[in-house]
Amino acid sequence: AQSVTQPDIHITVSEGASLELRCNYSYGATPYLFWYVQSPGQGLQLLLKYFSGDTLVQGIKGFEAEFKRSQSSFNLRKPSVHWSDAAEYFCAVDLTGTASKLTFGTGTRLQVTL
Amino acid sequence: EAEVAQSPRYKITEKSQAVAFWCDPISGHATLYWYRQILGQGPELLVQFQDESVVDDSQLPKDRFSAERLKGVDSTLKIQPAELGDSAMYLCASSLGLAGPGGETQYFGPGTRLLVL
Repeated sequence: AQSVTQPDIHITVSEGASLELRCNYSYGATPYLFWYVQSPGQGLQLLLKYFSGDTLVQGIKGFEAEFKRSQSSFNLRKPSVHWSDAAEYFCAVDLTGTASKLTFGTGTRLQVTL
Repeated sequence: EAEVAQSPRYKITEKSQAVAFWCDPISGHATLYWYRQILGQGPELLVQFQDESVVDDSQLPKDRFSAERLKGVDSTLKIQPAELGDSAMYLCASSLGLAGPGGETQYFGPGTRLLVL
């Protein structure tokens, strides 16, 4: 069955430390891949997406993600976390090629300590 | 910056009552989505509109849920009767509705948090 897995339910990092959030997918073909962030009381905001080309994708707010076909992974990274990055992060995939049918993972909640 | 508007932001209702949520997409966006997000899970697509037509409602529980987008602009999602298991965040999103390389970006509203007692 097709699936998106975010293995870490909750992660705590210190402000200024580096961050990596994991995402694995299980599909026959390479889907379009997305990372969204959801702050408390707000809707989801797109951080970045991958659909082809360079496997290292740059996004907003200093985030980047690397697509690794051999590992079926699309991990999100940030070199130095800020307290305002505390939020819930969702990985999503789309097989239609139009980003119109997103399947989301269960999310990773990021807590940032000062 | 244009945003997707949703109302109400919070709704408390008793089971067996009817509830309705409203969404106003970003102006010019032809595609509108309704998602349900149960606590601790990612959003799940309920229904997708292209203009006023339903494109995908395969995950919509049609015995109690209905959605409409009569003029192809704003949309209403209704639940009747509400059940305890319907407690969740209901998110609306919109996109331009144009096909092309790289796909589209869905813009999400703040959501309506529903609590059914």
